[in-house]
Amino acid sequence: DAGVIQSPRHEVTEMGQEVTLRCKPISGHNSLFWYRQTMMRGLELLIYFNNNVPIDDSGMPEDRFSAKMPNASFSTLKIQPSEPRDSAVYFCASSTAVRAFFGQGTRLTVV
Amino acid sequence: RKEVEQDPGPFNVPEGATVAFNCTYSNSASQSFFWYRQDCRKEPKLLMSVYSSGNEDGRFTAQLNRASQYISLLIRDSKLSDSATYLCVVNIGNQGGKLIFGQGTELSVKP
Repeated sequence: DAGVIQSPRHEVTEMGQEVTLRCKPISGHNSLFWYRQTMMRGLELLIYFNNNVPIDDSGMPEDRFSAKMPNASFSTLKIQPSEPRDSAVYFCASSTAVRAFFGQGTRLTVV
Repeated sequence: RKEVEQDPGPFNVPEGATVAFNCTYSNSASQSFFWYRQDCRKEPKLLMSVYSSGNEDGRFTAQLNRASQYISLLIRDSKLSDSATYLCVVNIGNQGGKLIFGQGTELSVKP
């Protein structure tokens, strides 16, 4: 099993550009989570899906952020336009009812 | 108030010491509980689930007090390799669950 796969691993972009982060969850997992981690705020839940349906997006910071899960094997997190304060590590995780597995994260730097 | 709160770190302990981490959660609807470990610049990984009766896995013991909404992790005979950040995690809800992470407590075990 390849685990949760995120891409890209690193992204450096200029302020104002659109950024798309991708995630492939573990096959058979019915929940998918997007988190953002910074030194100041720790791990923050942005949004989570259950059976491809967004259940709770209350953690999405503002309208510049959007997430989709068109099918059980793929999800995206888009930031448009990006700002320097969006710089963080973004993790995707998928879970069964018992435990969650994380991808290796995307380190985003907005300059 | 944060949904999941942990002891502030860092904890600096000598090898062989016993160290305890505490965690409180605010949502009484929380259904399941976990400790995750995160190494520097890596993704969080499940350390152990926390059961109502308490549970042990080698040198690690987890306790849950639902009445006080309190979770603990005890590490005995600490090793250098235990140095990491320990994250308290609460699963809220029954639709696959919403995983909320505490800020994490950094542990540094010194020779």
